[in-house]
Amino acid sequence: AQSVAQPEDQVNVAEGNPLTVKCTYSVSGNPYLFWYVQYPNRGLQFLLKYITGDNLVKGSYGFEAEFNKSQTSFHLKKPSALVSDSALYFCAVRGGQVGGGADGLTFGKGTHLIIQP
Amino acid sequence: NAGVMQNPRHLVRRRGQEARLRCSPMKGHSHVYWYRQLPEEGLKFMVYLQKENIIDESGMPKERFSAEFPKEGPSILRIQQVVRGDSAAYFCASSPTRPPSGEQFFGPGTRLTVL
Repeated sequence: AQSVAQPEDQVNVAEGNPLTVKCTYSVSGNPYLFWYVQYPNRGLQFLLKYITGDNLVKGSYGFEAEFNKSQTSFHLKKPSALVSDSALYFCAVRGGQVGGGADGLTFGKGTHLIIQP
Repeated sequence: NAGVMQNPRHLVRRRGQEARLRCSPMKGHSHVYWYRQLPEEGLKFMVYLQKENIIDESGMPKERFSAEFPKEGPSILRIQQVVRGDSAAYFCASSPTRPPSGEQFFGPGTRLTVL
């Protein structure tokens, strides 16, 4: 079975400072990793994904994520936070197997990111 | 290109009634997924469908829940005889490619409240 852990319910960062939102995963085979952002009463918006290749993935709105196979982590980062980045962030994983729920994404519980002016 | 559309956005039902949730995928997308989000929880996978076929329904409750994606028209998630525990946000997503590598594009969700 695949799983995702986001160890922090909330992350507080001052505007202009770098931010990191943590994610670790467990999956059989090669992982396919995703980050999504959710604003209040809205659906999820895709930020970035790791499939294969370069461990540093760049995505939307200046976000990037680093895949670390040995630590089974996929932390989301941004060099300089904006107040408008405040939202709920979800990490998700899918393994390479078929069926048994693996066709869908497995999400973490989410991390509230609060950027303080 | 319009995004994934879901309707209604809000649905209120009394216990024992039926709820029908609709999802129109993005143009050109033939893969549809349904997820449920309980308060303060992440999304939980329910079912994966392609046109006229249920591919993976391992996340669907065994009773009262069903899904379809007909040749014409939107995908439908149907909940019969709703109970208070069914109150949640239900999200639909679509993708242009089959799993596992394609990202999924999510609709705005349907918030179901069972009185």
